[in-house]
Amino acid sequence: GENVEQHPSTLSVQEGDSAVIKCTYSDSASNYFPWYKQELGKRPQLIIDIRSNVGEKKDQRIAVTLNKTAKHFSLHITETQPEDSAVYFCAASLNTGGFKTIFGAGTRLFVKA
Amino acid sequence: DTAVSQTPKYLVTQMGNDKSIKCEQNLGHDTMYWYKQDSKKFLKIMFSYNNKELIINETVPNRFSPKSPDKAHLNLHINSLELGDSAVYFCASSDPTGQGQNIQYFGAGTRLSVL
Repeated sequence: GENVEQHPSTLSVQEGDSAVIKCTYSDSASNYFPWYKQELGKRPQLIIDIRSNVGEKKDQRIAVTLNKTAKHFSLHITETQPEDSAVYFCAASLNTGGFKTIFGAGTRLFVKA
Repeated sequence: DTAVSQTPKYLVTQMGNDKSIKCEQNLGHDTMYWYKQDSKKFLKIMFSYNNKELIINETVPNRFSPKSPDKAHLNLHINSLELGDSAVYFCASSDPTGQGQNIQYFGAGTRLSVL
């Protein structure tokens, strides 16, 4: 089955710096790659997603890139702010007669003011 | 209006008891899910239902039995609770598009503590 690996598990950056989180997936049939942000004690919420027919997508300070050949995708956050501090999950989704989404283990991002 | 609501928010119980968690969504979605998030924050899918039918069951023990009375509700019943069941359980719903996009909307979570 699908396996999603996410690195690093913890990331600490200075406010204003960039943060990059990387994920790899195993099943080449996966065709949808969402990223979720989970603040402490809250529910996961989608921040950006990318489909397999697109190589890059940007939304203000966040961007995601996808390399289908290498089966990896990355989240880039620029000009980080303290409110970006949270756990970020990458995920890979495929339709196996029903949509199945496998999440990475999460990256805990700390943005120091 | 809360899009995906689950109750209770907290559940503290003894080993061996049976408990239920309820989930309702008012988004009109056909697909609903249950996830388990352990103490290390790992988010693992347990079940997925589409229009009241079970479509994904991820090797979850038989003690866990989901029930979907209609497509807006997906409840989770757990028999003979064990210490290892302690976790936060998230319900979610989605409306997958023909283009493969599948945005999931999560409930606020139920923190289950088994003593």
